[in-house]
Amino acid sequence: GAVVSQHPSWVICKSGTSVKIECRSLDFQATTMFWYRQFPKQSLMLMATSNEGSKATYEQGVEKDKFLINHASLTLSTLTVTSAHPEDSSFYICSARAGNQPQHFGDGTRLSIL
Amino acid sequence: KQEVTQIPAALSVPEGENLVLNCSFTDSAIYNLQWFRQDPGKGLTSLLLIQSSQREQTSGRLNASLDKSSGRSTLYIAASQPGDSATYLCAVSPTTSGTYKYIFGTGTRLKVLA
Repeated sequence: GAVVSQHPSWVICKSGTSVKIECRSLDFQATTMFWYRQFPKQSLMLMATSNEGSKATYEQGVEKDKFLINHASLTLSTLTVTSAHPEDSSFYICSARAGNQPQHFGDGTRLSIL
Repeated sequence: KQEVTQIPAALSVPEGENLVLNCSFTDSAIYNLQWFRQDPGKGLTSLLLIQSSQREQTSGRLNASLDKSSGRSTLYIAASQPGDSATYLCAVSPTTSGTYKYIFGTGTRLKVLA
């Protein structure tokens, strides 16, 4: 089946640094990728939708200057958390889909900001 | 605005019981509904996907039904096992989004006791 790879799986960094998370579709071309955030014991909340070659569409309340999304190719999208602070610590999950096919999810990235 | 609710929030049952997890959504205009399993600290595992035109889907001991007009879906787990212990999430893809994004439910934390 379709595979979506997310890297890194876990990152710990100091407050104020920027962190980049990669999401790759390994065996299909992803026309659309989605980024979700999940706080402990809560459900997944959609942050943004990105289409290859165009600017991401952010959900209400998500700061686009804080969470930079790049979808430069049909197999790669990146989420950069800029100037990360402890409140940005969370579990970030990406998903990818081709056309109107079902979404396939990555295994998530646990981000801890000290 | 689409809202997805899952009942119960948590469930603890002895091994071997048949159980039903409930998912309700406020807007019936959906492309599909999907059930996922999430183990602690892990990503999502897709269980069953029901298209809006379908009434149910089955996979092994799992059966999911969809009543779009009433905004409800149920996940039936037969002969539960300790290995079924996880958080179960349902998600709907609203047609109004135009992007096939998912709105996730609040989740049901299931514990099956040996």
